[in-house]
Amino acid sequence: DAKTTQPTSMDCAEGRAANLPCNHSTISGNEYVYWYRQIHSQGPQYIIHGLKNNETNEMASLIITEDRKSSTLILPHATLRDTAVYYCIVRVYGTGTASKLTFGTGTRLQVTL
Amino acid sequence: DGGITQSPKYLFRKEGQNVTLSCEQNLNHDAMYWYRQDPGQGLRLIYYSQIVNDFQKGDIAEGYSVSREKKESFPLTVTSAQKNPTAFYLCASSRSNTEAFFGQGTRLTVV
Repeated sequence: DAKTTQPTSMDCAEGRAANLPCNHSTISGNEYVYWYRQIHSQGPQYIIHGLKNNETNEMASLIITEDRKSSTLILPHATLRDTAVYYCIVRVYGTGTASKLTFGTGTRLQVTL
Repeated sequence: DGGITQSPKYLFRKEGQNVTLSCEQNLNHDAMYWYRQDPGQGLRLIYYSQIVNDFQKGDIAEGYSVSREKKESFPLTVTSAQKNPTAFYLCASSRSNTEAFFGQGTRLTVV
């Protein structure tokens, strides 16, 4: 199964862009990269996902390198409410028709004034 | 409202007792998942199911059991064989290759 590696923690000033990196060097060609975030004691919230093209939605942008071995989640204008643990996940396929989500270690993003 | 519902929010269990956590979704999702989270740690996969009457062990299935008799429901039983059951339990659901939606979790405490 492809695994992910993320920095343990990062800081970002409010109003600035937050760039969160993720390494997934063993990713397979048909595996997607997903990003979620978790605010303390709540269920994780979906942010964005992609296969090989860069993606953007109202929350964030996802930049995937050409070799797909790493990606970066960009929060363009971070606010205090973006303080959370951010998880980079590679979607893997299990036996038969089943598929599963395998979470990485997560990055604790602290947005400060 | 559409969504995924976990109940109860808080649960207390005596040592040696089995306890069942409920997870229901009305999103018509095929896949459902159970995760465990310990304080300051990431999520670890317990069990997952892609279709009714089929489920697979995750990374930490020992001491847990599940059933998937209906598409909407994926209950998790924490058995007495689970040596350290105190944790935050999260249920999620998804279509085959789209984003997963998570419930708000059940915090289980063994007393």
